[in-house]
Amino acid sequence: GENVEQHPSTLSVQEGDSAVIKCTYSDSASNYFPWYKQELGKRPQLIIDIRSNVGEKKDQRIAVTLNKTAKHFSLHITETQPEDSAVYFCAASMGYSSASKIIFGSGTRLSIRP
Amino acid sequence: NAGVTQTPKFQVLKTGQSMTLQCAQDMNHNSMYWYRQDPGMGLRLIYYSASEGTTDKGEVPNGYNVSRLNKREFSLRLESAAPSQTSVYFCASSSLEGTEAFFGQGTRLTVV
Repeated sequence: GENVEQHPSTLSVQEGDSAVIKCTYSDSASNYFPWYKQELGKRPQLIIDIRSNVGEKKDQRIAVTLNKTAKHFSLHITETQPEDSAVYFCAASMGYSSASKIIFGSGTRLSIRP
Repeated sequence: NAGVTQTPKFQVLKTGQSMTLQCAQDMNHNSMYWYRQDPGMGLRLIYYSASEGTTDKGEVPNGYNVSRLNKREFSLRLESAAPSQTSVYFCASSSLEGTEAFFGQGTRLTVV
């Protein structure tokens, strides 16, 4: 089955700097790669996603890149702000073409230093 | 629009007790999921249901059972609770086309 590995587990960056979180997946049939943000005590919420027919997607300060050959994808946050402090999860599924399980990485706790 | 609703929000069980976590969604989604979240372990899939009438095991199904009662509802049952099942449980749903998973508010379960 699918396995998703996520690094690093914790990340601390200076406010205004960039943060990068990386994930790898094992199942080459996966075609949908979402990223979720979970604030303390809250439920995970989708912040950006990418499908396997696209190499990069950007939404304001957030971008995601996908390398299908290497089976890895990354989240990039630029100009970090205090409200970016949270736990971030990557995930993989075959859900774009058929209903399937969504497998998550183990999460990255991002802290923004003032 | 309520989205995904889980009950209860908090629960304390004694070892060996049973209970059912309830989940309902009002977004007409086909797929529903149960995850558990433990510190440092991320969100691990317990069971999922791709559509009404079907259920499949996820990464950590042992000690749990599920029922997809209808398109709206997907329940998780612990037959004989163990301290290792102390966790935060999240239900989620997604449509086939959208694929974004919407989560409930979570259930914090403690087994003593």
